[in-house]
Parts: sequence; structure tokens; C-alpha cells
Amino acid sequence: DVKVTQSSRYLVKRTGEKVFLECVQDMDHENMFWYRQDPGLGLRLIYFSYDVKMKEKGDIPEGYSVSREKKERFSLILESASTNQTSMYLCASSIQGTDTQYFGPGTRLTVL
Amino acid sequence: GQQVMQIPQYQHVQEGEDFTTYCNSSTTLSNIQWYKQRPGGHPVFLIQLVKSGEVKKQKRLTFQFGEAKKNSSLHITATQTTDVGTYFCAGLGSNDYKLSFGAGTTVTVRA
Repeated sequence: DVKVTQSSRYLVKRTGEKVFLECVQDMDHENMFWYRQDPGLGLRLIYFSYDVKMKEKGDIPEGYSVSREKKERFSLILESASTNQTSMYLCASSIQGTDTQYFGPGTRLTVL
Repeated sequence: GQQVMQIPQYQHVQEGEDFTTYCNSSTTLSNIQWYKQRPGGHPVFLIQLVKSGEVKKQKRLTFQFGEAKKNSSLHITATQTTDVGTYFCAGLGSNDYKLSFGAGTTVTVRA
């Protein structure tokens, strides 16, 4: 079974802090994704990566950056957290960008 | 860019009844996927539809892809409490390389 893990289930940070969310997949998938999930808005794509060191902006990249130094790991970075970034963050991976996506358990981030 | 709309946003169903949730795209899709997210859980892949007019069944769940490949539906018969959750559709545009998720239909079941 594909396993996608995220570093934290719950995280509380203060406004202005730098926040790192880590995601690791164990199936050698080429593609990895970061989404945020908010009530009534569904899943919105922040960034995705189709290869090591490669990244593409999604629909809502503002205020975020990403890093993919190794194939299995995809990090989401909030350079200076703001309260409007309080959300559930979901990581996913897939063999190809259009294939079935396997999601991690999510990180619920609260920015105070 | 491509938009995928889902209706209704919420569906309250009496146990044993049937219901349908709909997914509509502003553009023609190459394929559409459906995911289910249980309360407190993460989205889990259910099925993918590729062909125009395609119908697939999984036990009490019936998935359909429209003839024009711009809409899809999920029909659940004899709803059970295990059907509670949020159902997302995700479409891939003909000229796109990433999925666009709908906002989801959140289903609650009255016993």
C-alpha cells in the first residue's frame, strides 16, 4: 500500500513565524502535491512537483513556497505565517500528474 | 482555468434512501475521478471514468460520465451510515496536466 505521511497532525504557530510542513511518500512516485482544504472551498492546489527540484505553482501559491530535494519528500514552507493561512493542509502523491492521488492524513495548522 | 462545480454542497439523507451528487465542468474533461473523505480522515480514491457515457458500479455506488464529458454523477442507493463523508470529484481537462477538485458534497445520514 502507498503510504503518505505528514510530519504533524496538529500545529499551532504565531503570526510571522516561519512554518515547515513535511510530507514523505514511500512509493517512489514522481509527482507530489500540496493542497489546502477549507469548508465550502474543497481542495485547492497550492504547489506541485513532478520531479526532484522541479515545482509548479498551483491555484493559490501566494504566501507559500516548496522544496523537493529528494524524490520522497516534499516540503511546504510558510515564510511568514498569517492568520488567513489557518487551514487543513493535505499532501498527496501520484505516479503521474493525472493519475490517482494518494493523500496523507493532513496537518491542521492554526495561526494565532 | 478549468472549474469543476459540485452540487449539492450538503446532502442530508434518511437511511435507506437514495441520493445523487453531481459534478459539472466548464470545459471538456479527459477523465474524472471520485474521492471520499470520511469525517476526520483524508480523501481516498474511489474510481476513475475515462470514456464518454461510461458507467461504473461499486456495490451501491453508481458513477456516470456524461456523453459530452463535461459532467459526472455519483448515485448511492439504500444509503447507510457508512456512506457518511464528503465526496469529491476531480477532473482533468483535455489540455491540462493536473486535476481540478470540486468543492465536495458532504453527506450526513439520519438513522
